[in-house]
Amino acid sequence: DIQMTQSPSSLSASVGDRVTITCRASQGISNYLAWFQQKPGKAPKSLIYAASTLQSGVPSRFSGSGSGTDFTLTISSLQPEDFATYYCQQYNSYPITFGQGTRLDIK
Amino acid sequence: QVQLVESGGGVVQPGRSLRLSCAPSGFTFGGYGMHWVRQAPGKGLEWVAVIWYDGSNKYYADSVEGRFTISRDNSKNTLSLQMNSLRAEDTAVYYCARDIASGSVDYWGQGTLVTVSS
Repeated sequence: DIQMTQSPSSLSASVGDRVTITCRASQGISNYLAWFQQKPGKAPKSLIYAASTLQSGVPSRFSGSGSGTDFTLTISSLQPEDFATYYCQQYNSYPITFGQGTRLDIK
Repeated sequence: QVQLVESGGGVVQPGRSLRLSCAPSGFTFGGYGMHWVRQAPGKGLEWVAVIWYDGSNKYYADSVEGRFTISRDNSKNTLSLQMNSLRAEDTAVYYCARDIASGSVDYWGQGTLVTVSS
């Protein structure tokens, strides 16, 4: 199985900050990488697929990059509604696997 | 608009069975693969299973292989997850989600809670 490792596991930041979350795959996954946002008690929300393609309706302050084993999610200017937990997911091969999550808190 | 509504969760004893359903609306169900993803209390997301748009292929997480069965009825617009031999570690919120890119998903349901406890 492909292991997905996110860093950091938690992060404190302020409104307006630029934030980057990293996701590393245990083996190459081309660009078969997605990012999700989840708020407490809510279903996940899909943000990005194919490493860098924004889902419909996702604000442009979110961006993704990477290929192979190393990927990043960047939020260019944090908004109050962005404080949540973020997960990466690989879908290069089954079983599909998620990273452990990165909790983004208000500083 | 696209909606996915899960049902069938509840409290069940270890070793027993439960069947979850997902009711899609707002899109042509038969044109999309579908996934089940779960989340244990306070834990991260865990992929459970996928079924292709026509039911021709199914894949499972190792943790549920041989105990869970994903199925669909495109004529009735229904996705199901039959869960047998349930264990305490199967306790989780179960989400159904629509596939858009051979593994990635776009829309998620609100989830249904399954609690396995004696």
